[in-house]
Amino acid sequence: AQSVSQHNHHVILSEAASLELGCNYSYGGTVNLFWYVQYPGQHLQLLLKYFSGDPLVKGIKGFEAEFIKSKFSFNLRKPSVQWSDTAEYFCAVNPTSGNTGKLIFGQGTTLQVKP
Amino acid sequence: IAGITQAPTSQILAAGRRMTLRCTQDMRHNAMYWYRQDLGLGLRLIHYSNTAGTTGKGEVPDGYSVSRANTDDFPLTLASAVPSQTSVYFCASSDSRFTPLHFGNGTRLTVT
Repeated sequence: AQSVSQHNHHVILSEAASLELGCNYSYGGTVNLFWYVQYPGQHLQLLLKYFSGDPLVKGIKGFEAEFIKSKFSFNLRKPSVQWSDTAEYFCAVNPTSGNTGKLIFGQGTTLQVKP
Repeated sequence: IAGITQAPTSQILAAGRRMTLRCTQDMRHNAMYWYRQDLGLGLRLIHYSNTAGTTGKGEVPDGYSVSRANTDDFPLTLASAVPSQTSVYFCASSDSRFTPLHFGNGTRLTVT
């Protein structure tokens, strides 16, 4: 079965620290990849997406992610986190084949940034 | 403001009762989805609709039904609620099957 795995369940960082959240997926075909963020008490918002082209994608608020096809990975990075980045982060995969059009989400990573 | 409206915001429901969660979007998106969010499990797809008049089952469809009579509305019905359906439910939409989702603010449902 297709799945998405986020290795870090809970990350605590101090402001200005660098961030990398891991995401691996299990699907052999072509995929679209997403990172969503959920701030406390809010709905999910798109951080960035990868459909094709340059495997290094830049999103909002200084976030970026790199698609490494050989490793089935799409890790999220930010060079210097801020207290306002405290949120839950979800990696999601959408297989481009088939007709389901559904997203498969990872379990989520809770990021806590200490001021 | 364009977007997705979910109602109610929260609800406490007795087991065995019937409940419909409402979802309306004004973006004229073709595709709509219902997800449930549970701690440690992320979001899981319940049902989806690629276009008005069609629906499909997601990862966890049991105990839920949906309808898509028009483009804007995508209600989710729990015919006979059970405590395991306690969750936060998010409705989402996109203008095609493969474009990013827009999410509603969620409905927090507690089944007692």
